[in-house]
Amino acid sequence: NAGVTQTPKFQVLKTGQSMTLQCAQDMNHEYMSWYRQDPGMGLRLIHYSVGAGITDQGEVPNGYNVSRSTTEDFPLRLLSAAPSQTSVYFCASSPPVGGTASVQFFGPGTRLTVL
Amino acid sequence: QQQVKQSPQSLIVQKGGIPIINCAYENTAFDYFPWYQQFPGKGPALLIAIRPDVSEKKEGRFTISFNKSAKQFSLHIMDSQPGDSATYFCAATGGGYQKVTFGIGTKLQVIP
Repeated sequence: NAGVTQTPKFQVLKTGQSMTLQCAQDMNHEYMSWYRQDPGMGLRLIHYSVGAGITDQGEVPNGYNVSRSTTEDFPLRLLSAAPSQTSVYFCASSPPVGGTASVQFFGPGTRLTVL
Repeated sequence: QQQVKQSPQSLIVQKGGIPIINCAYENTAFDYFPWYQQFPGKGPALLIAIRPDVSEKKEGRFTISFNKSAKQFSLHIMDSQPGDSATYFCAATGGGYQKVTFGIGTKLQVIP
């Protein structure tokens, strides 16, 4: 099993550009999430999904879109990149236990810089 | 209600010391408390987890202590090594909650 994979590993964008961060998992986990990690801010939840076709907002959703058409994939779209979106982005998947989130399996991260 | 407060934010200990990281939660519905370890340039990975029906759990040199009445839990690293230098996150979930709430993280440095 590859676990959770993310592409690209690094990306530099100009302000106003759009892009999609890819995330895939091969563990058949129902739950998937996107986090951003900034110094002194911990892991902040952007969007999450509890199954194909179901997504919801997390703590910091503005400027990001998600969709979940399959169990395996959960792409994160930046609509119009801003310097405030410079961060490290992590995708995670989780097998729910009784409808509750459990252990998170994280991908290796995408380091994004917006100029 | 959903917060998990973690302290300290940074910690420096000498090799062999016992760093302790503390977390406190508010939501009494939480029933799963994992700790994650993150090395530079990598994603966080599950280190150890506890449920509130036990007061302590050990896995190797890592121990979680859990105080349900105080709504606090802590991570102890026995005989710490330079290879333990990493960022540690506590977390909490449960009660049908579909998200995991993370603490802010503690950057640990173990000096040889």
